[in-house]
Amino acid sequence: DTGVSQNPRHKITKRGQNVTFRCDPISEHNRLYWYRQTLGQGPEFLTYFQNEAQLEKSRLLSDRFSAERPKGSFSTLEIQRTEQGDSAMYLCASSLSTRDNYGYTFGSGTRLTVV
Amino acid sequence: AQTVTQSQPEMSVQEAETVTLSCTYDTSESDYYLFWYKQPPSRQMILVIRQEAYKQQNATENRFSVNFQKAAKSFSLKISDSQLGDAAMYFCAYRSGSGGSNYKLTFGKGTLLTVNP
Repeated sequence: DTGVSQNPRHKITKRGQNVTFRCDPISEHNRLYWYRQTLGQGPEFLTYFQNEAQLEKSRLLSDRFSAERPKGSFSTLEIQRTEQGDSAMYLCASSLSTRDNYGYTFGSGTRLTVV
Repeated sequence: AQTVTQSQPEMSVQEAETVTLSCTYDTSESDYYLFWYKQPPSRQMILVIRQEAYKQQNATENRFSVNFQKAAKSFSLKISDSQLGDAAMYFCAYRSGSGGSNYKLTFGKGTLLTVNP
């Protein structure tokens, strides 16, 4: 297992376009989290899944954002009608529910730049 | 809601010396977990050390140790014998122990550590 994989690593898009990011968690991990990190800030929670169920969404996740985790495996995060304020690093993390008080495993992130 | 504060935006240390990074948090809970994560430039975040709130003994992992003061809601990280590879952004994070919808981590803003040769 190579850890948590995120694709693409970098994405440049024009304002108003839609973008989709993918996260492949560690295979046996049943929990998956999305965070957003802007320059000079710590990661901020967006949403999390347990298996295929999306159990919590942050107020940061506006109507333009949607996340899915079909079949409880990989997850996608889509941003519609991107705005310059969406420029950030989007981090994915995964954990095993029986051990997630030991911390999560993070991916390397997808850096989004909206021009 | 829980908050995590890292009051040192930047710190620097000489190679082989010791440095302490500060973290305070605010919570009304008695059961929780605290973490320090390291984020090297352009690389993924890595767990450095964790502390369970109900354990009085401070956690240690090789050159990394914490000073956990539950009453003061303080959780500092000490790095001994600093190495060039320790240079990174360090984040303090909090996780509720009560479960339910509280599995998320709440992070501080981070401390950028520079190690000088």
